Amino acid sequence: NAGVTQTPKFQVLKTGQSMTLQCAQDMNHEYMSWYRQDPGMGLRLIHYSVGAGITDQGEVPNGYNVSRSTTEDFPLRLLSAAPSQTSVYFCASSYSMVGPTEAFFGQGTRLTVV
Amino acid sequence: GQQVMQIPQYQHVQEGEDFTTYCNSSTTLSNIQWYKQRPGGHPVFLIQLVKSGEVKKQKRLTFQFGEAKKNSSLHITATQTTDVGTYFCAGRQGGSEKLVFGKGTKLTVNP
Repeated sequence: NAGVTQTPKFQVLKTGQSMTLQCAQDMNHEYMSWYRQDPGMGLRLIHYSVGAGITDQGEVPNGYNVSRSTTEDFPLRLLSAAPSQTSVYFCASSYSMVGPTEAFFGQGTRLTVV
Repeated sequence: GQQVMQIPQYQHVQEGEDFTTYCNSSTTLSNIQWYKQRPGGHPVFLIQLVKSGEVKKQKRLTFQFGEAKKNSSLHITATQTTDVGTYFCAGRQGGSEKLVFGKGTKLTVNP
């Protein structure tokens, strides 16, 4: 059981480049989400998904796209990177919205946009 | 939208002193969770509170959920250097699918 796996761990992008942050979980969790963490701002929800084929926006969705074609994978796409997207990105998953809803986090992706 | 406020933002204590962080929501929460993030690490789940007025303990940690289910607190008795990290509360508004986090309280402990 690997839990939640994020790749890459570190990435440097130039302004305007696009990239995809990968997230995979092997716990058969329905709920998956992406957060960004900036100093003094805590964890802010970007997008989330309650199951395959269903996604919705969080607090700070602009500049990011997501899709959920399988239960296991929830990639986050940066369409045209900007310096304001320099941050640490965490993917999280939980079993469902009811019952035990503990969120399991990946190790994070530290992204720098120059 | 749902907001979760957490105070203080930073707390420095001497080892052995107590520590408390407070979490307040603008709306009633269906449950509240607490997480700990060590420096350079990722958030790790500590506990979930569901019932109004609920109190749970984990060794030196005491968690409370307010009667109105809008506030919560985490209290650490006799802090140790291993308690260093940032503590986050997170909640879901009743019926909402979003798990919203507070900004966290960063705890440093002087040995």
